[in-house]
Amino acid sequence: DSGVTQTPKHLITATGQRVTLRCSPRSGDLSVYWYQQSLDQGLQFLIQYYNGEERAKGNILERFSAQQFPDLHSELNLSSLELGDSALYFCASSDREQGTQYFGPGTRLLVL
Amino acid sequence: AQKVTQAQTEISVVEKEDVTLDCVYETRDTTYYLFWYKQPPSGELVFLIRRNSFDEQNEISGRYSWNFQKSTSSFNFTITASQVVDSAVYFCALSEEFITGGGNKLTFGTGTQLKVEL
Repeated sequence: DSGVTQTPKHLITATGQRVTLRCSPRSGDLSVYWYQQSLDQGLQFLIQYYNGEERAKGNILERFSAQQFPDLHSELNLSSLELGDSALYFCASSDREQGTQYFGPGTRLLVL
Repeated sequence: AQKVTQAQTEISVVEKEDVTLDCVYETRDTTYYLFWYKQPPSGELVFLIRRNSFDEQNEISGRYSWNFQKSTSSFNFTITASQVVDSAVYFCALSEEFITGGGNKLTFGTGTQLKVEL
């Protein structure tokens, strides 16, 4: 158990819908990262927050957004969902801006 | 741009065999970090090791060992006396030189599926 928690574990929704994925970092970690794992794209970095501020952006679609709250938990919002958004979404956290990233169990999203 | 190549898509071995997973990386930075993560069938990503570019010493942890060679841009992972519980997908990853405020993303390889059979 890495200490990073993600909810929900599974999510099934329909095209066009909006969902919110939640992540709680390890106690004391200030940095939160989001990654998407899909069969065709592999593991792709989406976005990083450090102590509430956006730090780095990767291949994140405009339909996706994220934020980190004062209590350091983070949410990833996915809107206007398409079939191709079906994937495993991981959250990771680290104690520093460039610390080792520890991953949560992931949220498996299925868009029908 | 940084890139990680894991040319071995799938490896099958019989229990107790040694197995080496290859990882080749590309980066223009002189300071960078290399990682290995394990993804068992349950799906989570488990951190195994982090190595910085200035530390070329090989590392051994139990049945696991890592060989870092800057000259060939490789960071290979060997499991000695493999066990069925080692069956998983193994990912090699790279993060480049850190610039304060610039973020810290991991670039992953495509992974190697290791199957250890009795």
